[in-house]
Amino acid sequence: QKEVEQNSGPLSVPEGAIASLNCTYSDRGSQSFFWYRQYSGKSPELIMFIYSNGDKEDGRFTAQLNKASQYVSLLIRDSQPSDSATYLCAVIPDKLIFGTGTRLQVFP
Amino acid sequence: KAGVTQTPRYLIKTRGQQVTLSCSPISGHRSVSWYQQTPGQGLQFLFEYFSETQRNKGNFPGRFSGRQFSNSRSEMNVSTLELGDSALYLCASSRDTDYNEQFFGPGTRLTVL
Repeated sequence: QKEVEQNSGPLSVPEGAIASLNCTYSDRGSQSFFWYRQYSGKSPELIMFIYSNGDKEDGRFTAQLNKASQYVSLLIRDSQPSDSATYLCAVIPDKLIFGTGTRLQVFP
Repeated sequence: KAGVTQTPRYLIKTRGQQVTLSCSPISGHRSVSWYQQTPGQGLQFLFEYFSETQRNKGNFPGRFSGRQFSNSRSEMNVSTLELGDSALYLCASSRDTDYNEQFFGPGTRLTVL
């Protein structure tokens, strides 16, 4: 079992819709959770982090954490074509462990 | 404010050679982490340095090593290169050991022939 699992996608959503990206992790001791966005040919950039159970909102982005279910998700509201990228979930049990990412495609 | 810089950006080596990659963090950042990114394995943690001390290490063979200097610049070294070492090597810096403000450099693309 991989330590951090994500569906590779692609996840295709129409412009203006909500994109829902999911991630599960195996280490129950994980304390910190991050979402990175990586455009093709570019480096990852941090877009959200969450430490506590519940929701955390930042603009069009909402991160959701459920430690009991070992599940973290990222919602992107009003999706735009510029949101098309690979979204990487990362978790810290003791070091930063990345999932392999979900490719999101937002079509006009 | 300058971002994280990595040199060289591209490198071609042959099997058995060794290579040294360099990373200059954002000014004021004392933590530097290194990652290997490949299409098959994704982004994998190599090691992290903070104030010249290795804080954490990933599951890579001893051929992969690193160090950090007093000015926070970091280098990683790979000895006895193998074909499977071909990858994008990314460096990221943060002010301290929190990852909630970690910035990545553009990476060094290493090709091993």
